[in-house]
Amino acid sequence: SAVISQKPSRDICQRGTSLTIQCQVDSQVTMMFWYRQQPGQSLTLIATANQGSEATYESGFVIDKFPISRPNLTFSTLTVSNMSPEDSSIYLCSVRGPNQPQHFGDGTRLSIL
Amino acid sequence: EDKVVQSPLSLVVHEGDTVTLNCSYEVTNFRSLLWYKQEKKAPTFLFMLTSSGIEKKSGRLSSILDKKELFSILNITATQTGDSAIYLCAVEENAGNMLTFGGGTRLMVKP
Repeated sequence: SAVISQKPSRDICQRGTSLTIQCQVDSQVTMMFWYRQQPGQSLTLIATANQGSEATYESGFVIDKFPISRPNLTFSTLTVSNMSPEDSSIYLCSVRGPNQPQHFGDGTRLSIL
Repeated sequence: EDKVVQSPLSLVVHEGDTVTLNCSYEVTNFRSLLWYKQEKKAPTFLFMLTSSGIEKKSGRLSSILDKKELFSILNITATQTGDSAIYLCAVEENAGNMLTFGGGTRLMVKP
């Protein structure tokens, strides 16, 4: 399966600031996704990162808060904007190749003070 | 609304015990059901099931899908402390390739 590098691994941020999380895959993949896992909760899909076009957001998530880029088939970024303590979560990148299951990056544990 | 429900929410067993984790689902355009193990941050892939009645096996872990009754089970035999983790079930739909996750089962295996 593809090797997925996600960074940073963790960060502690001040409220009102923004953080960009990067996801790099070692091979071209069809699909890239961003998930959020709030404390004690399961994973919730934020958006599908589309190469060269705007991401497709799930209900409850908007581009102004979670801008996403995907300039090519191996790289994507998620920005968490104007952070508040409610944004404290694990953020996970996942990828899916043709006829392959989704695999996840190591995740970014984000804490907002 | 599509949903995925896992049971039990949590489970405490002793080494050597056998456990069965359950996952039921209601989705509109089912493609596959996946099981993941989450120990720290990253869920690691265990199984992907697409057909009813065909058991997938990897060492002490096995899983099977029933598309008529809309559920899957994950079995772990001869449990070890290293099996302690959250086990996540997710369903993939035909449209969009997105995964809908269940709430997970937290398994603790005591020595």
